[in-house]
Amino acid sequence: DTGVSQDPRHKITKRGQNVTFRCDPISEHNRLYWYRQTLGQGPEFLTYFQNEAQLEKSRLLSDRFSAERPKGSFSTLEIQRTEQGDSAMYLCASSPTGETQYFGPGTRLLVL
Amino acid sequence: AQSVSQHNHHVILSEAASLELGCNYSYGGTVNLFWYVQYPGQHLQLLLKYFSGDPLVKGIKGFEAEFIKSKFSFNLRKPSVQWSDTAEYFCAVNAGLTGGGNKLTFGTGTQLKVEL
Repeated sequence: DTGVSQDPRHKITKRGQNVTFRCDPISEHNRLYWYRQTLGQGPEFLTYFQNEAQLEKSRLLSDRFSAERPKGSFSTLEIQRTEQGDSAMYLCASSPTGETQYFGPGTRLLVL
Repeated sequence: AQSVSQHNHHVILSEAASLELGCNYSYGGTVNLFWYVQYPGQHLQLLLKYFSGDPLVKGIKGFEAEFIKSKFSFNLRKPSVQWSDTAEYFCAVNAGLTGGGNKLTFGTGTQLKVEL
């Protein structure tokens, strides 16, 4: 399968713990996006990378959230000091040009 | 700022019925328009897209959508639905700029259930 992959698929953590998610984009896609989806809502944009540069961050991305794409390939999204309100599906998408984005299966986070 | 409205949150149809899901967007510039579908237990998949040209676009599995610029609409249609079309459908838009970030703005989704 050469699509976007995400790991882990599910994560349960206790409030206050740190979590890290990984996204592997489609090979040679230089744009990578993170979105968050809560129940009954469509995905909401968090941040995006062009190669290794993080070019835009949403206001949704509080200072407890950090994302990296160190070599312009895979990306990580870390949430520090998790809160119950962080419970959501975290989606990653990649694109060769930014116009059409291809989504991964997501990481479902539950904060207890 | 961009916004997308999907007016039908839940739709129930019988097999062979026709489908039309509404989508309206708000944005002052050139846009790209998309419909994504999420089948139960699966990830978001692109159903169809409109960038420019013929406003009637055809996608996979017999779906089509019509861009009406004057109405800021991009409604999804299918003449005859199948049970396998049961899924959640999302309309999305991004700025039609080359070289821009092109973040997607999604609607809240329409849950379609097709009954046998």
